[in-house]
Amino acid sequence: GENVEQHPSTLSVQEGDSAVIKCTYSDSASNYFPWYKQELGKRPQLIIDIRSNVGEKKDQRIAVTLNKTAKHFSLHITETQPEDSAVYFCAVLGGGGTSYGKLTFGQGTILTVHP
Amino acid sequence: NAGVMQNPRHLVRRRGQEARLRCSPMKGHSHVYWYRQLPEEGLKFMVYLQKENIIDESGMPKERFSAEFPKEGPSILRIQQVVRGDSAAYFCASSPPMGFGDTQYFGPGTRLTVL
Repeated sequence: GENVEQHPSTLSVQEGDSAVIKCTYSDSASNYFPWYKQELGKRPQLIIDIRSNVGEKKDQRIAVTLNKTAKHFSLHITETQPEDSAVYFCAVLGGGGTSYGKLTFGQGTILTVHP
Repeated sequence: NAGVMQNPRHLVRRRGQEARLRCSPMKGHSHVYWYRQLPEEGLKFMVYLQKENIIDESGMPKERFSAEFPKEGPSILRIQQVVRGDSAAYFCASSPPMGFGDTQYFGPGTRLTVL
């Protein structure tokens, strides 16, 4: 099955700095890669996603890059703010067959933005 | 447009009792997914359902757990004879009936505590 590795597990930055979180995956047939933000006790909230026919996508301070050849994708947050503090999860959607519809999540990154 | 709804939000059961968790997908969505999140861990896929069909149950424990999504009404995740290790947050997600690679939107979760 799909294997998703996420790094780092914790990330501490100063307000205004950039934050980068990286994920690798194993199934080359996977073609949809969302990122979720989860605050304590809350639901995972989709913040950005990318499909395999695109190499980069940006939404204001958040961007995601995808390297299908190397099977890795990254979340970039610029000009971080204290309210960006949360746990961030990458995920990979199964590429087909028995994995169709199934999201496999990374282990999560605890991001702390210090004022 | 109401989001994914789950109830109850909190559920306390004693060992050996049954737990029934309900999920109503977003309006117009016909695909439902259940994920489990153990304390301080990532989300793990359990089951993927469409109306009256189980598409993928590869993440469901073989015993005590079952899921359904009837023609009418919410999806139900049922855990029989609960044990302390079942204590977790159970999240439901839904996606529209467009097939491959659709975005999954999460509900607020049900936090199950087994005493």
